[in-house]
Amino acid sequence: DAGITQSPRHKVTETGTPVTLRCHQTENHRYMYWYRQDPGHGLRLIHYSYGVKDTDKGEVSDGYSVSRSKTEDFLLTLESATSSQTSVYFCAISEGLAGSSYNEQFFGPGTRLTVL
Amino acid sequence: DQQVKQNSPSLSVQEGRISILNCDYTNSMFDYFLWYKKYPAEGPTFLISISSIKDKNEDGRFTVFLNKSAKHLSLHIVPSQPGDSAVYFCAARTSGSRLTFGEGTQLTVNP
Repeated sequence: DAGITQSPRHKVTETGTPVTLRCHQTENHRYMYWYRQDPGHGLRLIHYSYGVKDTDKGEVSDGYSVSRSKTEDFLLTLESATSSQTSVYFCAISEGLAGSSYNEQFFGPGTRLTVL
Repeated sequence: DQQVKQNSPSLSVQEGRISILNCDYTNSMFDYFLWYKKYPAEGPTFLISISSIKDKNEDGRFTVFLNKSAKHLSLHIVPSQPGDSAVYFCAARTSGSRLTFGEGTQLTVNP
């Protein structure tokens, strides 16, 4: 199994509070991703990173920010949590592109976030 | 705009029979397609992939078929086992290393 951990694994918070989720990898992979999983929507990309301090938005980035100061850590921050951000959040890593081949993404165990 | 769609939220099959999970896409620029499997309280795990230049890829009990003219992808599991019960996501690569996922199909294999 790819070495990916997420913390915390479960969190309950109140509307308006800031929340930071952490993803840590031991694989030295270049790419890291944050997804949210919701019923009827599958997995949707929030933000991703293609290197230290290099990040870009995904399809559902509003209300979220990210930071990557080290190869191994990718942080997802909800500046002011809302009930619509109640979800399961997954981190993923990949080596990225290798010529014409594709390197699959490996996922962490997930963080269940509830915003009351 | 949902570019990757799995129209069946659930599928139930008997152990030993074939499971067929379907996926449709709209973006003709997708060049790689993947299937992921997810058990409850775990992250998705990669199952099998196929390049857009191929129409079939096989790995043990799992075979993925790609019909580019119909923009349709399917995963065949033969024979199905109770341990295959999980949510299956199809995904497609867009730009760079980004993936677009379908909504998922819950497969239940009954003993």
